[in-house]
Order: sequence, then C-alpha cells, then structure tokens
Amino acid sequence: AQSVTQLDSQVPVFEEAPVELRCNYSSSVSVYLFWYVQYPNQGLQLLLKYLSGSTLVKGINGFEAEFNKSQTSFHLRKPSVHISDTAEYFCAVSELAGGTSYGKLTFGQGTILTVHP
Amino acid sequence: DADVTQTPRNRITKTGKRIMLECSQTKGHDRMYWYRQDPGLGLRLIYYSFDVKDINKGEISDGYSVSRQAQAKFSLSLESAIPNQTALYFCATSDLTSGGAGTDTQYFGPGTRLTVL
Repeated sequence: AQSVTQLDSQVPVFEEAPVELRCNYSSSVSVYLFWYVQYPNQGLQLLLKYLSGSTLVKGINGFEAEFNKSQTSFHLRKPSVHISDTAEYFCAVSELAGGTSYGKLTFGQGTILTVHP
Repeated sequence: DADVTQTPRNRITKTGKRIMLECSQTKGHDRMYWYRQDPGLGLRLIYYSFDVKDINKGEISDGYSVSRQAQAKFSLSLESAIPNQTALYFCATSDLTSGGAGTDTQYFGPGTRLTVL
C-alpha cells in the first residue's frame, strides 16, 4: 500500500526567503505525485503535479517540485515566499494500474507554512 | 459559480443524530470522493464512486454511508453521529481526462465543518 510522509509539520519563514517543504512516499508501483495548498477556511487547490517526463515540475504561484525516484521524494520549493503563501500544504500520491491512475489519493499529514514579515 | 459545491458549510449536531452532507458538481466528472480532514492527519478517504452504479469503501468508512443520486451528486451520511466524527469534510471530483488522459486529477469543494457535541 502507498504512504506519504511530510517531514515537517510546521515551517516558519521570513518573507522573501526561500522555502522547501519535504515529502517522501512509499509505493510498490509507479505513481503520480501532487502538491495541494489549503488557504485558511478554503478547500484544496492543486499547486502542481508530476505525471512523467521531466523531474522538475513547475506549478502556480512560483512553486516548483522535483521528483527523485531513487530517494522516493517530491519536495516542494519556492525561491522567495510572500505573506500570501501562508497556508497548509499537502503532498499526495496516486498509484497507477495499467498506466492510468487507480483513482485514489493518499495524502501526507500536511505542512503549515507561516510566512512572517 | 463554483464547480464543486458542498452543503451545508457548517453544521453543529448532537450525538446520535443522523446527518447528511451533500456534494454537487458541474464539472461533468464521473468520479466523486468523500474525505475527512483532521489536524495532523491530513485527508483520509471515506468513500469513492467511479460512476453512479459504483460505490467503494475507502480507508475509514465505518460509521458512514453514501448515496450517488446522479452523476453530479454524491451524499455522505452519518447514521448516528458521534463526537469523534467532528472534522472537516471534503468532496472531490475527477475523471480520467481531468488532468490529461489517464491522470485523474482531483478537484475539491470548499468543505463542510461538522461538530458533533
């Protein structure tokens, strides 16, 4: 069975500093990988996804993530954060069957990013 | 108008009451999901449905039931609510073309905050 571990429950950072949110996964088959963001009192919004091809994936709001198959990681990065990036971030994995998604997401525990002025 | 709507957005109820949470979507997706979110645990899958005649249990289905009334509607019921069902509940939708062929990207509603006293 697949599993996802987000290594930091909370990450405080100052505005304009770089940030990395760490995600490791475990699966016996090929996977798709996702990062979602949840702003206060809102639902989840897709930030970016890795399906295949280039291991560096760019998403919305200046975020990017790198898929590392050997380390089974999918860390999220942003070179310069803003106050408005304060939110909870979730890493998720979807296992593949026959080359297409099996249709179920397994989420990590979430990382709360707090950007201070 | 939002593509995925959930009603109610907030609900306070008492132990033993029957509660229904509703989800509607205008995205035309076949697949629908119910998750619950608890602090520090991320999102966990309760039930999912790949079409109107297909209902499947997720990771934590005990104490819950669902009904897929139409392609666009998927309801979650708590037959006899208990305090540890206090959580934030999310509906999501997808299909095998929602993020490109075979990728099954999920789109989330705004959530329902349920409190069981």
